[in-house]
Amino acid sequence: QKEVEQNSGPLSVPEGAIASLNCTYSDRGSQSFFWYRQYSGKSPELIMFIYSNGDKEDGRFTAQLNKASQYVSLLIRDSQPSDSATYLCAVRSFSNSGYALNFGKGTSLLVTP
Amino acid sequence: EPEVTQTPSHQVTQMGQEVILRCVPISNHLYFYWYRQILGQKVEFLVSFYNNEISEKSEIFDDQFSVERPDGSNFTLKIRSTKLEDSAMYFCASAPSGGRASGYTFGSGTRLTVV
Repeated sequence: QKEVEQNSGPLSVPEGAIASLNCTYSDRGSQSFFWYRQYSGKSPELIMFIYSNGDKEDGRFTAQLNKASQYVSLLIRDSQPSDSATYLCAVRSFSNSGYALNFGKGTSLLVTP
Repeated sequence: EPEVTQTPSHQVTQMGQEVILRCVPISNHLYFYWYRQILGQKVEFLVSFYNNEISEKSEIFDDQFSVERPDGSNFTLKIRSTKLEDSAMYFCASAPSGGRASGYTFGSGTRLTVV
């Protein structure tokens, strides 16, 4: 069973702080890692993806991947109240011929003014 | 910005009835997907569709489910005989390509309530 694990939270950070969201996965054949944001009652929105070890930055967001530790994280700098949402980690494996994503349950982030 | 469009936004149906959920993917996308999310649970993969055929499906996607791309724009999910446990938000998604760098765009979803 391929598992994607996230701490459900809520993770509470003050406005302007760095929020750090973590995700671990069980399948060593995983090749791509995606972060989605989901507001309550809405559909997931793609934030960014990463597939090489190391860091990848996009604006206020940085994704970090460590395949040896089977760990991926998302850092949100200068957190804003509008960042309050559930953050979903999703993983794609080599074995997914149809490029399916396996999602974690998500971490709820609350940014307080 | 191009969108994935889903209709209806909310459907209520009686147990045992057939439902068809409709999606219009982004026009130049080639890969199409259905996912579902039961309230309070994670987003779950149902099926992927490429080149007019199913390329992958999950254990959830049993004989009660089918997908179709009846014309060049629509992509549908049919549930033949709905069960109470089919109540969920159903998301359609599309992607321009496959591969490791291909994230996809989700539609706004159809909330299916089976009573």
